[in-house]
Amino acid sequence: GAVVSQHPSWVICKSGTSVKIECRSLDFQATTMFWYRQFPKQSLMLMATSNEGSKATYEQGVEKDKFLINHASLTLSTLTVTSAHPEDSSFYICSARSQVDNSPLHFGNGTRLTVT
Amino acid sequence: DAKTTQPPSMDCAEGRAANLPCNHSTISGNEYVYWYRQIHSQGPQYIIHGLKNNETNEMASLIITEDRKSSTLILPHATLRDTAVYYCIVRSHSGNTPLVFGKGTRLSVIA
Repeated sequence: GAVVSQHPSWVICKSGTSVKIECRSLDFQATTMFWYRQFPKQSLMLMATSNEGSKATYEQGVEKDKFLINHASLTLSTLTVTSAHPEDSSFYICSARSQVDNSPLHFGNGTRLTVT
Repeated sequence: DAKTTQPPSMDCAEGRAANLPCNHSTISGNEYVYWYRQIHSQGPQYIIHGLKNNETNEMASLIITEDRKSSTLILPHATLRDTAVYYCIVRSHSGNTPLVFGKGTRLSVIA
């Protein structure tokens, strides 16, 4: 079945630094990928829609200059948290869907970001 | 996406069937019912989806009422590893629309 891989699975960084998270579709091509964020004991919140070859679409309240999304190929989207602060500490999850008809969205295993 | 309503939590004895209900009374004709689950500190895992017919796969069964206003996910023989938060989501199947997650049902399987 379709597999979505995220890297790294966890990262600790200092306040003010930037962190890049990668999301890859391993056995299918994805023109669209989605990035979610999940705080403790809360549900997943959609942050942005990543479109291959064009600008990402951000949800209301998500700063596009802080969360940079690049979708340069049909199998890779990256999320860069710039100038990270402790309040950015969260669980970041990506998802993608094969273009095959009737295929559901599949999710990566998430990246736990801790900003100290 | 149409809104869904799920009980916040449920318990189930190991080895018994777990029946998780979901109300989606405002579902529209082209929207599918999707079920995902999230085990602690992992990404959501796809379980099953359906439009109007009942569906079964190796993980679970999905029973959708005739009026499509509600559905039930059935795990036939729950194990401790099925302890997770289960999300019922309705979503149009066309295009690249994201999944919008509600609060889900926290299922605890008890030995």
